[in-house]
Amino acid sequence: SQKIEQNSEALNIQEGKTATLTCNYTNYSPAYLQWYRQDPGRGPVFLLLIRENEKEKRKERLKVTFDTTLKQSLFHITASQPADSATYLCALDWSGSARQLTFGSGTQLTVLP
Amino acid sequence: GAGVSQSPSNKVTEKGKDVELRCDPISGHTALYWYRQSLGQGLEFLIYFQGNSAPDKSGLPSDRFSAERTGGSVSTLTIQRTQQEDSAVYLCASTQKPEGEQYFGPGTRLTVT
Repeated sequence: SQKIEQNSEALNIQEGKTATLTCNYTNYSPAYLQWYRQDPGRGPVFLLLIRENEKEKRKERLKVTFDTTLKQSLFHITASQPADSATYLCALDWSGSARQLTFGSGTQLTVLP
Repeated sequence: GAGVSQSPSNKVTEKGKDVELRCDPISGHTALYWYRQSLGQGLEFLIYFQGNSAPDKSGLPSDRFSAERTGGSVSTLTIQRTQQEDSAVYLCASTQKPEGEQYFGPGTRLTVT
């Protein structure tokens, strides 16, 4: 069965540095991949979507890459701020029809001032 | 406009009782999803509604779980004869189009004692 693995450990970085979060998956590549942010006690909030034929997507300080050869997506936050502290989830749609979005367990990011 | 709303925000129930969780999606969103999130875990897909099509129930963990969506809008997730392992946060999301970003509600925290 398809599996998703995100950074198993919580990630702590210093303010101003670039945070890099990893999402690895098994078997065949999904049609697209999404990244969400989740704060404690709240539902996830959509950040970025990248399709299988796209290598990179950017939005302000965020950048996502998608390498179907490595079966990996990297999520970067540049010039990180304490307000970026949250859990980041990657989500994959293997069906291409959005019927079932499979979420990773998330990486808890803490940006230290 | 208003986002996705869920009620109640918290529910404590005794083992063996039935519970109903409600989701009001964003107006005009044709797709609605239910997920379950246990402590420290990723989101587990439960059920998907798309327009007037038959729902995708493949994620429901047992026949004690059921959901309906009336008039293509409000959805209710029902758990019968609740068990302690049903304790989790139940999240609802809606989207305007397949593969689009999902908008999540704040969730219902269910505790079965």
